[in-house]
Order: sequence, then C-alpha cells, then structure tokens
Amino acid sequence: KAGVTQTPRYLIKTRGQQVTLSCSPISGHRSVSWYQQTPGQGLQFLFEYFSETQRNKGNFPGRFSGRQFSNSRSEMNVSTLELGDSALYLCASSLAWGPESYEQYFGPGTRLTVT
Amino acid sequence: DAKTTQPPSMDCAEGRAANLPCNHSTISGNEYVYWYRQIHSQGPQYIIHGLKNNETNEMASLIITEDRKSSTLILPHATLRDTAVYYCIDKVGGSARQLTFGSGTQLTVLP
Repeated sequence: KAGVTQTPRYLIKTRGQQVTLSCSPISGHRSVSWYQQTPGQGLQFLFEYFSETQRNKGNFPGRFSGRQFSNSRSEMNVSTLELGDSALYLCASSLAWGPESYEQYFGPGTRLTVT
Repeated sequence: DAKTTQPPSMDCAEGRAANLPCNHSTISGNEYVYWYRQIHSQGPQYIIHGLKNNETNEMASLIITEDRKSSTLILPHATLRDTAVYYCIDKVGGSARQLTFGSGTQLTVLP
C-alpha cells in the first residue's frame, strides 16, 4: 500500500507571497491532519479534515487554511507569508474511528523556506 | 501542552535493548499511550500504543505500569537505524486526531 505523499518536497517563497501544499493520504484513510515543525516550537498541530470538513484547528492565525476533497486529498494554504513560516509541513492520514484512528501515518513533509 | 515527561537523550549500544521511559501521571482512565519516532529529516513514524496491558508488535514492546502513570518502550535489539527522537504521547485532542508532541527523547544507538 502506498504511503502518504506530499508535494512539493521543497519550496522557496518570498515574504508576502502565498503557498499551497498538497497531501495525498493512504488509500482508505479519510482523515488528514497537518502539522508544522520548527526547531523552536517542535511539532505543532495545524488542523484536521474528515469528509471534506475541518474537524479541529490548532492555534495558528487565519493565514493558515486548508481543505479536503471528496477523494480525501488535502491542500493547505498559507497566505501573506512571513519569515517565521519557514518550517517543515507534515501531513498525516488515519482511519476515522476508534483508538486505532490515532495511528497517524506521516508523509515526508514539505520543506518551506521563506526569504 | 504535552503532559508527558521523557529524558531528553539516551545512548544505547547496537544490539542491546533500548529502554525508553515516559511519565504520564495525568493520564485519564480511557486515554491511550502512543509512541512515535522521528528519524532525522523524515516524518514521524507510529510505533505502538496501549491502554493498560503490555503490548508487543514487530517494532517494539510497550510496558505500562499498573497505575498507568508511566510506561517504557523497549526496542529489543537496537540498530543504528533506530537512532531517532522518540515521542510518548498521552493527550489527544477531543474527538479529533490531534497529536500533541512534546520534546521527546533523542536515542542514539552507538556502534
């Protein structure tokens, strides 16, 4: 079974621009979560989508948004990029229900650099 | 914030068992303990989870104390590829699959 894929793997943007990152979950997984990882803050939860609906959102500004499509693929968008948005953005997929749903399978991440 | 406590770093000789402790003294009765690891520059990898019984899978064993306030992840025969940051997680966000990662333990397997 193919794993979680994320595109692009690396991205360089300038302050003020916007960026869209893509995530394809494992086949059959309906939940997709996004995390930001920085050296200073570690791994932080951004948001989770299930059945095209945002189920939960972490403590991030409104510049960070996402969506999920009917095939469970997800995108996240960051508008008006700031230098502090430079990070590894990780996508994870999981089954929807039960304690096994907390088994999240992570993609390799997208390394975003804002200059 | 993460409610687990782990040592910041540990070393282990290759081929020996690596025992990684975790304190989760505020865990509720119906909360599971999850272990993940992150090898440098990769996404986190699920290892194992448990509620109150000891668990074993092809990667590791999880020993949970009877009072459930602490647990130990055991890698029975550590290899160099097991060098990673290991995260113990007990708090998950409501009905969502929101993992709260702490600082974890940097395990270095030495040749």
